[in-house]
Amino acid sequence: DGGITQSPKYLFRKEGQNVTLSCEQNLNHDAMYWYRQDPGQGLRLIYYSQIVNDFQKGDIAEGYSVSREKKESFPLTVTSAQKNPTAFYLCASSPGTGREKLFFGSGTQLSVL
Amino acid sequence: AQTVTQSQPEMSVQEAETVTLSCTYDTSESDYYLFWYKQPPSRQMILVIRQEAYKQQNATENRFSVNFQKAAKSFSLKISDSQLGDAAMYFCAYRRATSGTYKYIFGTGTRLKVLA
Repeated sequence: DGGITQSPKYLFRKEGQNVTLSCEQNLNHDAMYWYRQDPGQGLRLIYYSQIVNDFQKGDIAEGYSVSREKKESFPLTVTSAQKNPTAFYLCASSPGTGREKLFFGSGTQLSVL
Repeated sequence: AQTVTQSQPEMSVQEAETVTLSCTYDTSESDYYLFWYKQPPSRQMILVIRQEAYKQQNATENRFSVNFQKAAKSFSLKISDSQLGDAAMYFCAYRRATSGTYKYIFGTGTRLKVLA
């Protein structure tokens, strides 16, 4: 079945530690996205990528980094510079053109120890 | 910059009744897409309905329909014959239709409770 796989489902970060959230899609989609979800704040865009080896900052990119070396993969690193990383992180993809919807992964809950 | 506003943090509806969730947006674009997503307790995002701005006819999907008022920049979701399974967070989203534009902008969500 085609879809988006996020791992791990739960992740814990220690102070000063970088952690990486995985996102893989087998939908052959060009565009991929990372959103952060906090209670009462909806989904906020962290980074997005329209094509391999290219990505753009979203509204809250500080303290995060991404790479897009392969079409199917878009990992997100939460760096130690992100002082409030506890949130639910959603990865999404879309074909990149037209009226199509976003396809979402099942999310990763990141908490600070 | 485009923004999406959902002014109702929480709504309640009796089972089998009808409820309307509000969404307004701000844009200077004339062509764009609007979406309603549902996020049940599993937190998996599910597309409920979408609307193209160039279409005057309101979109419908079974018990779900929208009231799209382009001049007022309003995009409300009506759920008819509400069911217990409709209880979820509902997010309104916007995307420009311009070629090469990829950003989807979400509102803060409305939590819908369905009372038995």
